[in-house]
Amino acid sequence: GQQVMQIPQYQHVQEGEDFTTYCNSSTTLSNIQWYKQRPGGHPVFLIQLVKSGEVKKQKRLTFQFGEAKKNSSLHITATQTTDVGTYFCAVPLSGGSNYKLTFGKGTLLTVNP
Amino acid sequence: EPEVTQTPSHQVTQMGQEVILRCVPISNHLYFYWYRQILGQKVEFLVSFYNNEISEKSEIFDDQFSVERPDGSNFTLKIRSTKLEDSAMYFCASSRTSQNIQYFGAGTRLSVL
Repeated sequence: GQQVMQIPQYQHVQEGEDFTTYCNSSTTLSNIQWYKQRPGGHPVFLIQLVKSGEVKKQKRLTFQFGEAKKNSSLHITATQTTDVGTYFCAVPLSGGSNYKLTFGKGTLLTVNP
Repeated sequence: EPEVTQTPSHQVTQMGQEVILRCVPISNHLYFYWYRQILGQKVEFLVSFYNNEISEKSEIFDDQFSVERPDGSNFTLKIRSTKLEDSAMYFCASSRTSQNIQYFGAGTRLSVL
């Protein structure tokens, strides 16, 4: 089945530092989605990337989709304590349907104020 | 803003007992999903449901699990004879189409004793 590797597993930063998490797939993806889960909370959709080489920004968050559509990254500039949580990438079933999302293992971000 | 609601927020049960987890998807959504998350681990797909039938299910979703849409608003997950390893957070999600983003409920924490 579709597998996606996400690194790092944990990242601890000082407030104001940048943060990046990466997802890699061995197969070409139709799209990739990013979710954030606060401690004790539920996954909240952040963004979906569809096009090769796509870059999208949401305030301090920058999302990239690789040219080969096999990898993606989420970069946070100047982290704040409100950024704390686990960031997951999720990819659809290899046939392109979004019926089934396969989640990466997530990157737990902690921010020291 | 419309949201997916799940009840109960926490369910404690004895091993071998049946449990039913309930979800009310967003009203104009047509695709429904169940995921589970064992404490500290990634979100795992269980099953997707469309047009009153299962579209896709994972290896986790064995004969002990079933889903139902008993009326126009509820979507339920039943575990017939719970095992200790069924203890997890169970998330319901819904989407308007198969290609749309999935909105997650707050989850039901199932504790099997």
